[in-house]
Amino acid sequence: NAGVTQTPKFQVLKTGQSMTLQCAQDMNHNSMYWYRQDPGMGLRLIYYSASEGTTDKGEVPNGYNVSRLNKREFSLRLESAAPSQTSVYFCASSEAWGAGDIQYFGAGTRLSVL
Amino acid sequence: DQQVKQNSPSLSVQEGRISILNCDYTNSMFDYFLWYKKYPAEGPTFLISISSIKDKNEDGRFTVFLNKSAKHLSLHIVPSQPGDSAVYFCAAFNSGTYKYIFGTGTRLKVLA
Repeated sequence: NAGVTQTPKFQVLKTGQSMTLQCAQDMNHNSMYWYRQDPGMGLRLIYYSASEGTTDKGEVPNGYNVSRLNKREFSLRLESAAPSQTSVYFCASSEAWGAGDIQYFGAGTRLSVL
Repeated sequence: DQQVKQNSPSLSVQEGRISILNCDYTNSMFDYFLWYKKYPAEGPTFLISISSIKDKNEDGRFTVFLNKSAKHLSLHIVPSQPGDSAVYFCAAFNSGTYKYIFGTGTRLKVLA
């Protein structure tokens, strides 16, 4: 039972490079999310997809794009990486979008931008 | 503007004693609250939740208390065990914006 799988686990980029973080869930969940975690800042929502075919901005969307490829997969793209995007990125999913819907998280991607 | 605050970055407790983790919020539109636990190199996992229509919810060794007038919630762990050593995040759901806001986390260390 894999749950939420994120790839890669670690990545080092140079400023200006692009990359895509992959996320897949096998729980048939409708909603998916991308967060970043920075020291002293908690988890901040970058983008979310309330259901297949929809995506919306969260608290800190600048510099990112997302694609809800299908119900299982939700990718996060950095078009031109900046040092400020050095962070740990978490993908999550939940059965639905609303109060009381528990989010299930992947193990995270640790990204360093030099 | 941190709407959900966990003012204690860290907490150390002896095994067998009570751990109390606190969370304060500023927005009265928050009406559902959750606690997540996070171990190193893993993603957060759900622990316990509470609706704003309740003031207490209990699940085994874990109890969450909500004081709406003070905009304060707390997580009690009794008795604390070394395996409880982790970072704990509170999260609040805003029915107005339909989004969760996470706190900054408290690192709990339970000493054997």
